[in-house]
Amino acid sequence: DGGITQSPKYLFRKEGQNVTLSCEQNLNHDAMYWYRQDPGQGLRLIYYSQIVNDFQKGDIAEGYSVSREKKESFPLTVTSAQKNPTAFYLCASEGELAQHFGDGTRLSIL
Amino acid sequence: EDKVVQSPLSLVVHEGDTVTLNCSYEVTNFRSLLWYKQEKKAPTFLFMLTSSGIEKKSGRLSSILDKKELFSILNITATQTGDSAVYLCAALTGANSKLTFGKGITLSVRP
Repeated sequence: DGGITQSPKYLFRKEGQNVTLSCEQNLNHDAMYWYRQDPGQGLRLIYYSQIVNDFQKGDIAEGYSVSREKKESFPLTVTSAQKNPTAFYLCASEGELAQHFGDGTRLSIL
Repeated sequence: EDKVVQSPLSLVVHEGDTVTLNCSYEVTNFRSLLWYKQEKKAPTFLFMLTSSGIEKKSGRLSSILDKKELFSILNITATQTGDSAVYLCAALTGANSKLTFGKGITLSVRP
């Protein structure tokens, strides 16, 4: 089945820890995106990548980092510098018509 | 700064009602306006609107864009409980295909 797979679905982090959220797609899409969704805030763009080995900051990149070593994969690391990391994280890739989303990872702070 | 505003923020209706969801935008390098439906997890794509005045329709859902007044509406007729969701509107801008989202409209359809 073609699609976007995010893992894990739920993630818990202790204060001061870095965590990495996985996003894999088998749609052969060049462009991939990471969004953060908070209640009542809609989706906000963290980072995006138009092509392998290249990525740009979105609107709220502070405290996050990404890599794009393979076309299929666009992992997001939430670093300890992100002061309020509890949120729902959505990964997307861009097809011909629109961006399509994975099922998300819900990150919580212990 | 690019901005997308949706209204109302939440709406409760009864099955069979017709609803209109609003989306206005102020962005640079506008390309298209997109609507998504989000139930529990991934937003699912509904419509992409690029040209003014051309209605897009899918079953009971329809949408139209006004590029002069910078807004779009999403209509749902004969609503069903399965239409209960958050409806997201987003403006696609620039060569880098950046999406700027509104905060979403929470629609609840009561039996």
